[in-house]
Amino acid sequence: RKEVEQDPGPFNVPEGATVAFNCTYSNSASQSFFWYRQDCRKEPKLLMSVYSSGNEDGRFTAQLNRASQYISLLIRDSKLSDSATYLCVVNMAGTYKYIFGTGTRLKVLA
Amino acid sequence: DTGVSQDPRHKITKRGQNVTFRCDPISEHNRLYWYRQTLGQGPEFLTYFQNEAQLEKSRLLSDRFSAERPKGSFSTLEIQRTEQGDSAMYLCASSLQLAGLGHTGELFFGEGSRLTVL
Repeated sequence: RKEVEQDPGPFNVPEGATVAFNCTYSNSASQSFFWYRQDCRKEPKLLMSVYSSGNEDGRFTAQLNRASQYISLLIRDSKLSDSATYLCVVNMAGTYKYIFGTGTRLKVLA
Repeated sequence: DTGVSQDPRHKITKRGQNVTFRCDPISEHNRLYWYRQTLGQGPEFLTYFQNEAQLEKSRLLSDRFSAERPKGSFSTLEIQRTEQGDSAMYLCASSLQLAGLGHTGELFFGEGSRLTVL
């Protein structure tokens, strides 16, 4: 089993739609969680950290469910510019190693 | 440009040759990471440094791979006797650990060095 698993998609959604991605992790001792965004042929960039209480940044909401070992990312009112790959990242407890999922590809259609 | 820079951006080599990639992190960053990414996959952890100390190395990394960060600034990743399976994008990232505040978690990536092994 992979340490971090994501549905690779692609998710094709119309502009204005709400879309959600989930990510599961296998190590229950994982302690920090993040979503990164990667545009085609570009490097990954931090989108947002994921806190235990959940957190929101504009149209983006991240949630953590430790009991079920998954994190989620919700994007409301999708824009064309949201088209990208969204990478789930988990920090393994006791290390500063960051494990990336395979990424979920999102395409927002006009 | 004060971001992470990597060199070369592209490298084409024949199987069996050695290649070396260089990464210059953001100047005040004390942690440096190497990742490898292939098409359709997320970045795969290779190794990381705290200043000049290599603190962890992936079990997936064979003995043909070696990384250094001799003065705690720039880093090099060398691949000896390259194989076609080494073809990938090699990404370097840096981050800053703030004493007493833990890790921010934000990795700043370079644009990567793309390796093609023929």
